[in-house]
Amino acid sequence: GAGVSQTPSNKVTEKGKYVELRCDPISGHTALYWYRQSLGQGPEFLIYFQGTGAADDSGLPNDRFFAVRPEGSVSTLKIQRTERGDSAVYLCASSPEQGSTEAFFGQGTRLTVV
Amino acid sequence: DAKTTQPPSMDCAEGRAANLPCNHSTISGNEYVYWYRQIHSQGPQYIIHGLKNNETNEMASLIITEDRKSSTLILPHATLRDTAVYYCIVRVVGTASKLTFGTGTRLQVTL
Repeated sequence: GAGVSQTPSNKVTEKGKYVELRCDPISGHTALYWYRQSLGQGPEFLIYFQGTGAADDSGLPNDRFFAVRPEGSVSTLKIQRTERGDSAVYLCASSPEQGSTEAFFGQGTRLTVV
Repeated sequence: DAKTTQPPSMDCAEGRAANLPCNHSTISGNEYVYWYRQIHSQGPQYIIHGLKNNETNEMASLIITEDRKSSTLILPHATLRDTAVYYCIVRVVGTASKLTFGTGTRLQVTL
C-alpha cells in the first residue's frame, strides 16, 4: 500500500523497559509528525521532522522520549525506562512538504506498559 | 493556535444531513479551519479546510460564518460509515505548524 505504515501495531512491554516504534511515511513526503493519543482524548503532538532534522520537538513530554529520522524517510520513536503512563496509541503522520494542507496518518501503534 | 469548542456527541439518522458545529472565536486572520475525522481504531483522516469562503469536496461541505468565529461541517447524506470522532482544528497554513486536536465530536449515525 501507499499509506503511512507503523510497526508494530501492538506492543506490550514491562515497566522500565526500552521500546522503539517505527514509522514508514508515504514515499517522497518530507514532513513527518509523531502524536500520542490516550483513551478518550484527541491526538497530542510530540515532534515534527522536516527532512532529517527535528524542526519542533516541543511536545516530547520528557527526556525519556527521543525520535530520529536519519535518512529523511523512516522514523523511529524511542522511549526509555517506560512507565505505565506511557501507555497510549502512538500515531505517525506525513505530508508532502512543509506547510502542506493535508497530513496522512498511519493506523498507530498501541503501546501498553504493564 | 486558537482553541476550538465542539459538542461532545451528536446523533444522525442514516441518509440525513449531519451538521457538526465548531466555535473558534479567537481565530486569527491567517488561520484556516480544518476538519479531520477518526474512525474507531484508525488514524485521523483529513476531510476539508477553508479560510473564509465556503468549501465543498466529495466528502463534505464547510460553512464558515462571515466573522469567522464559527463554522459547520456538513455531511449531506450520512451513512453508517460516517460514524467517527470529528475534530475541528484551526491552523496557520504555510508553516510547519502542528495540528492541535481537541476532544472532538463523536458522531453516531443510526439506522
